[in-house]
Amino acid sequence: AQSVTQPDIHITVSEGASLELRCNYSYGATPYLFWYVQSPGQGLQLLLKYFSGDTLVQGIKGFEAEFKRSQSSFNLRKPSVHWSDAAEYFCAVVFPTGNQFYFGTGTSLTVIP
Amino acid sequence: DTGVSQNPRHKITKRGQNVTFRCDPISEHNRLYWYRQTLGQGPEFLTYFQNEAQLEKSRLLSDRFSAERPKGSFSTLEIQRTEQGDSAMYLCASSPVNEQFFGPGTRLTVL
Repeated sequence: AQSVTQPDIHITVSEGASLELRCNYSYGATPYLFWYVQSPGQGLQLLLKYFSGDTLVQGIKGFEAEFKRSQSSFNLRKPSVHWSDAAEYFCAVVFPTGNQFYFGTGTSLTVIP
Repeated sequence: DTGVSQNPRHKITKRGQNVTFRCDPISEHNRLYWYRQTLGQGPEFLTYFQNEAQLEKSRLLSDRFSAERPKGSFSTLEIQRTEQGDSAMYLCASSPVNEQFFGPGTRLTVL
């Protein structure tokens, strides 16, 4: 069965420090990949997406992600975290032949001053 | 604002009552999804419409749940005989294809 794994339930970083959130998927084919951010009580906002081509993709708010086919991973990065980045982050996949999106369980980010 | 809207934003009900939520998608999007999200979890797929046709339903969607999308525009999700386990955030997303735009969600609390 298809699945999306976010190994880190919770991460705490200092403001200004770099950030990497991990995401792995399991499936034979390469899916389309997404990262979303969710603030408390709100819906999900798309940060970035990967369909094909350059494996390093840039998103909004200074985020980027790198697709590594050999590792079935799509990790999210930011070089310098701001206090406003504190939120829940979700990785999601959809397979080109399907319609259903699969989400990971999320990583909660805390930013300390 | 031309984004996805959901109403109500919050709903408190007593166990056994019926509730209905509404989602208004981005007008040019022909796909619409419903998800349920509980605390500490990612969104779980419930059902999917392409225009007015309901094409997929999750096994999570018991027969107490029903969704409609008349005329391929707005959608409603109804839960009959609510149970405390139905307490969750219900998210709607609209999609042109291979990308989703989420609404703010409806928070349901069943007492």
